[in-house]
Parts: sequence; structure tokens; C-alpha cells
Amino acid sequence: QSALTQPASVSGSPGQSITISCTGPSSDTSDYAYVSWYQQHPGKAPKLMIYAVNNRPSGVSNRFSGSKSGNTASLTISGLQAEDEADYYCTSYTSSRTYVFGTGTKVTVL
Amino acid sequence: EVQLVESGGGLVKPGGSLRLSCAASGFTFSSYSMNWVRQAPGKGLEWVSYISSSSTYIYYVDSVKGRFTISRDNAKDSLYLQVNSLRAEDTAVYYCARVTGAYYMDVWGKGTTVTVSS
Repeated sequence: QSALTQPASVSGSPGQSITISCTGPSSDTSDYAYVSWYQQHPGKAPKLMIYAVNNRPSGVSNRFSGSKSGNTASLTISGLQAEDEADYYCTSYTSSRTYVFGTGTKVTVL
Repeated sequence: EVQLVESGGGLVKPGGSLRLSCAASGFTFSSYSMNWVRQAPGKGLEWVSYISSSSTYIYYVDSVKGRFTISRDNAKDSLYLQVNSLRAEDTAVYYCARVTGAYYMDVWGKGTTVTVSS
């Protein structure tokens, strides 16, 4: 149950776009069919931002989008805003019926 | 309003036990699978355990197998996590989360804190 690998930090200026990667150790890409992304502000509970790779729950800004290629999923934030500054985690439900989280990425808005 | 509220955390000595609870409201609890997820101080999120809607399927992360037990009472709209043989590395905020559709977690509680220290 190795963690998914994310960059420790990503930064950007307001209005820019940033992309956070999430890479798994498995060569079985079916392990990453159920990738979701969560935003967490300090001291708060995580919030679902993207599910099933590229779907947004209602209420989540369309500035957030997801994609996947092979064993790497990505979260893109377009038109970066100050309120986007937070920690972001990917997670995937795996073929062994467990979940694995990413290592987490701190997004800083310059 | 859809809501999850955890309780039962506290300070416990190594080797001790606690029973964490998660009270659900605003939705049909018995229709959903549930997860427990924890976060050690200053660290990332870690999935702990999963239980299906009727308790048929239960899974754990390897590090808690044999020590933690997940359960639910659909008549009481409640989820539980019995945590035994606690270790310092179990110190964390424990969140319960609703599992929806393609295995994603769409509703989270605010968490309950477990501190294991002598």
C-alpha cells in the first residue's frame, strides 16, 4: 500500500494555471480508475474537488479540472485565486479494495 | 443538512483503547458505505478502514489490522471505530467520510483527535 507521489509544493501567481501530478507505483492502470482529489485548508476537514478522474461535484468551481494518463493523475487549477491556497491530496481506490492517498501538495498563491 | 459528527477521541496511554463514533444526519445512512481516514500532526491523510452499507465488506490498512475494528449501527445512523493496543504513531485526527458512487468521499466530518502518550 505505497502512497501515491505528489510534488511537495506548487506555486503560482493569481490568474495563472498550475498542475499537480499524482503518480502511483503500480503498472496496472486499472488501479487508478477511481482517482479523486481533495482540498484541505489548515485546521479544516478535506473537501472533495474532483472524483472519478475528471468529474466535479456541484458547487466546485469549474476552474478545477482533472485528467489521467497511464498511472499518473493530474489536477489543474486555472485562474489561480488566493482562496485556492491549501493542501491538495489525490486518492485512489485500488484493486485490492483499499484506498491509497497521495503524499500531498501545498499550493501557494504568490 | 447532510452532516457527520465524530466523537470519542481523547488522551490515552500506549496500549490503551478508545471507541470513536460518527453520527450521521441529513441522509439515508444505511444506503452508504463509510470510511475512516486519519491525519497525524503535520502529516498527510491516511485511509484507515472501509465498511460497506450492510457491513458485508470490511477492509483495513495493514498497520491497524488486528488492533482496530470498524462497525456500524444503521438503526442509530452511527459508525464506529474501536481502537485497541494504541501506539504513539496512532496519534491523529480521525475523520469519518461518506463513500459515494465511484468510491469517492463526498461528505466529511470535522474529526476527533486521538492522542497516545504516557
